[in-house]
Amino acid sequence: SAVISQKPSRDICQRGTSLTIQCQVDSQVTMMFWYRQQPGQSLTLIATANQGSEATYESGFVIDKFPISRPNLTFSTLTVSNMSPEDSSIYLCSVTRGYEQYFGPGTRLTVT
Amino acid sequence: QKEVEQNSGPLSVPEGAIASLNCTYSDRGSQSFFWYRQYSGKSPELIMSIYSNGDKEDGRFTAQLNKASQYVSLLIRDSQPSDSATYLCAVNNAGNMLTFGGGTRLMVKP
Repeated sequence: SAVISQKPSRDICQRGTSLTIQCQVDSQVTMMFWYRQQPGQSLTLIATANQGSEATYESGFVIDKFPISRPNLTFSTLTVSNMSPEDSSIYLCSVTRGYEQYFGPGTRLTVT
Repeated sequence: QKEVEQNSGPLSVPEGAIASLNCTYSDRGSQSFFWYRQYSGKSPELIMSIYSNGDKEDGRFTAQLNKASQYVSLLIRDSQPSDSATYLCAVNNAGNMLTFGGGTRLMVKP
């Protein structure tokens, strides 16, 4: 498996502001993923982050709204920009070990 | 669009019974299949992975894969109240990216 930590674990933010979520992994990984889980819903992939290249975004997600950094092989950040109440979700980072994917504990974001 | 379908439930079983969770997928090229357990307020936890047709057993859990019929299932034997959670089916189509089903909520009643 993998040991993954995320900061912050939760936050309450005002609309129009931005929040940066950090994800730290216990060992080097090539690919890191960012997911969103809206209340009562399943997981939706936001983007894939490879070290040294631009993140690849899924349909419906854009870099201006969700900029991602991947400065090294153990760390990534996701920023949720210009937030609205619709951004209230759990944001999860994940990594793969072989074919298996493991998730961090998540960041619970509430936008008021 | 690649889809993964699950019955949302809730699936209610008595303690000690077998819980059967099912999942169908649309992409015939899918190669890897996973079951995650998610407790309320927690992140998904990988409990089973299966890559070839047939059964794979791990403790009280058995994953079953039938690629011809495009379904994967999870059996939980001797269900315990602590098994009460949402179970997510996930399918790897390509590039380590997972497509998740909507999840099935399981309730095990004492």
